[in-house]
Amino acid sequence: DVKVTQSSRYLVKRTGEKVFLECVQDMDHENMFWYRQDPGLGLRLIYFSYDVKMKEKGDIPEGYSVSREKKERFSLILESASTNQTSMYLCASSPLRTLDTGELFFGEGSRLTVL
Amino acid sequence: AQSVAQPEDQVNVAEGNPLTVKCTYSVSGNPYLFWYVQYPNRGLQFLLKYITGDNLVKGSYGFEAEFNKSQTSFHLKKPSALVSDSALYFCAVRDHHTGGFKTIFGAGTRLFVKA
Repeated sequence: DVKVTQSSRYLVKRTGEKVFLECVQDMDHENMFWYRQDPGLGLRLIYFSYDVKMKEKGDIPEGYSVSREKKERFSLILESASTNQTSMYLCASSPLRTLDTGELFFGEGSRLTVL
Repeated sequence: AQSVAQPEDQVNVAEGNPLTVKCTYSVSGNPYLFWYVQYPNRGLQFLLKYITGDNLVKGSYGFEAEFNKSQTSFHLKKPSALVSDSALYFCAVRDHHTGGFKTIFGAGTRLFVKA
């Protein structure tokens, strides 16, 4: 089974702190994604990556950056955390195939609270 | 722009009764449609998908979904609900315009199954 592991389930940070959220997948998937989940808004895409060192902005990239130095690892960085970044963060991966129609595989989520 | 709508924030059903969770979509071209489920404090799990072929798609845990092109709908169904089906359900569509990299999610529908 595909396993997507997020390093922290729960984090509490202070405004202005730098925050790292780590995600590792073990199925050699090319694509990796970071979403945030907020009640009533569903999941919104922050960034995605389709290859090592490649990254693309999603729908809400402001205030975030990402790093993909190795194929299996995709990190989300909050350079200076703010209270409006309090949310559930979900990492996902999927394989890249021509005409890929496959589903996403999600981690358990990281619930971040910024005080 | 491609989008997904889940018109109900919450659905209540008695155990043993059939359930339906509604989803409508707006896409250009042929849609790739998905349903995911999220149990409390967990990541999303894939339930089923429609790519092409039979309009009735069967998935995990006894769920099925019916694709209706004329009504642009992809409703999730189950003939007999269980208390353990209580969860948050997300409908999603794959965005072809970004090379299939992006998955767009609805806001989610919370299902309560009462014993």
